[in-house]
Amino acid sequence: DAGVIQSPRHEVTEMGQEVTLRCKPISGHNSLFWYRQTMMRGLELLIYFNNNVPIDDSGMPEDRFSAKMPNASFSTLKIQPSEPRDSAVYFCASSPQDRIHSPLHFGNGTRLTVT
Amino acid sequence: GQQLNQSPQSMFIQEGEDVSMNCTSSSIFNTWLWYKQDPGEGPVLLIALYKAGELTSNGRLTAQFGITRKDSFLNISASIPSDVGIYFCGDFGNEKLTFGTGTRLTIIP
Repeated sequence: DAGVIQSPRHEVTEMGQEVTLRCKPISGHNSLFWYRQTMMRGLELLIYFNNNVPIDDSGMPEDRFSAKMPNASFSTLKIQPSEPRDSAVYFCASSPQDRIHSPLHFGNGTRLTVT
Repeated sequence: GQQLNQSPQSMFIQEGEDVSMNCTSSSIFNTWLWYKQDPGEGPVLLIALYKAGELTSNGRLTAQFGITRKDSFLNISASIPSDVGIYFCGDFGNEKLTFGTGTRLTIIP
């Protein structure tokens, strides 16, 4: 089992640039989650998908953030335009939803730095 | 909204000591999850609790789901250097997994 795979591991970009983070969930998992982790706010849920459909995006901070899941094996989180306050570690997680409240399996994150 | 409070925020212990940390909520929970995060990695599930009063062990780790359904504790016995990291509790309030602020464990040589 390869686990949840995120790319890139690190991203450094300048303010105003577009950033795209990628995630491949564990095969067979039908729920996918995007989290952001900062020192100040801890782990925050941004958005989650069930069977490729966005269920709750209330955690997405602004219209500059968007997420897509075109198929069961791929998701992207895009920030356009990026700002320094977007600097954080972004985690993708997936879950099999084979029972109520199945635990999430996390990737190793993308560390984003916006200068 | 609900709040998850973890304590202590940080712990400094010597190798071999036992560790205890807890998590409390302003709301009733149906599920408690305990995760550990190593530096530079994502959180990894340690223990999942689904019933009030449930006591579950995973090696040197033991966790309990409080009877009131508003709290949980995690104990680590005979700590070793690889126990270093941040421990998070989490719950599925409003069907979304929300995490506490974490307990950072440091082991003093």
